[in-house]
Amino acid sequence: GAGVSQSPRYKVAKRGQDVALRCDPISGHVSLFWYQQALGQGPEFLTYFQNEAQLDKSGLPSDRFFAERPEGSVSTLKIQRTQQEDSAVYLCASTQALGDQETQYFGPGTRLLVL
Amino acid sequence: AQTVTQSQPEMSVQEAETVTLSCTYDTSESDYYLFWYKQPPSRQMILVIRQEAYKQQNATENRFSVNFQKAAKSFSLKISDSQLGDAAMYFCATAVAGKSTFGDGTTLTVKP
Repeated sequence: GAGVSQSPRYKVAKRGQDVALRCDPISGHVSLFWYQQALGQGPEFLTYFQNEAQLDKSGLPSDRFFAERPEGSVSTLKIQRTQQEDSAVYLCASTQALGDQETQYFGPGTRLLVL
Repeated sequence: AQTVTQSQPEMSVQEAETVTLSCTYDTSESDYYLFWYKQPPSRQMILVIRQEAYKQQNATENRFSVNFQKAAKSFSLKISDSQLGDAAMYFCATAVAGKSTFGDGTTLTVKP
């Protein structure tokens, strides 16, 4: 596709439900990042992948959060037993190559509301 | 750990005028990159401009330029000849060892 896509765009979950958020990066992009953006704040790093390898997951807030990218393209962020504090926009970004100099291309985000 | 501070939650500029958005950061790393991203209302975040920390020359992209003061750990964004389409939230960010840290953003309003 032309850009990074994410689905669903909106998700309402009851507290305690499991949710899965999908990210389709730009084709061929090596690195993929997940961020959590609370209302009125900047994105906060959750985790990132280089191809299928998860190189840094230090930002995942608890063991209820799990991310995978099994074939080095599509990635899924899973949140188990959702809590109200998980309500946020979850952003995905990808970069063409490795390195901190790379431009991150962002998706539109998934807005998660936990009731 | 990296921190990024944007001290101006909101800024306003008259169309065709110039505005400067402030950003300060803290890092113990010597090798890093700095970015300004723009997030228009209900649209995706896009890159505005990038600066390599090892370069003394300030980056410029058309109407957008930065004032990078490495010793002061300051990285401000100047928008010249502001246009209505520049209205958005602007985020300053650092990237070190694969991990990006963002500020909380500055909402820019452009008045016609």
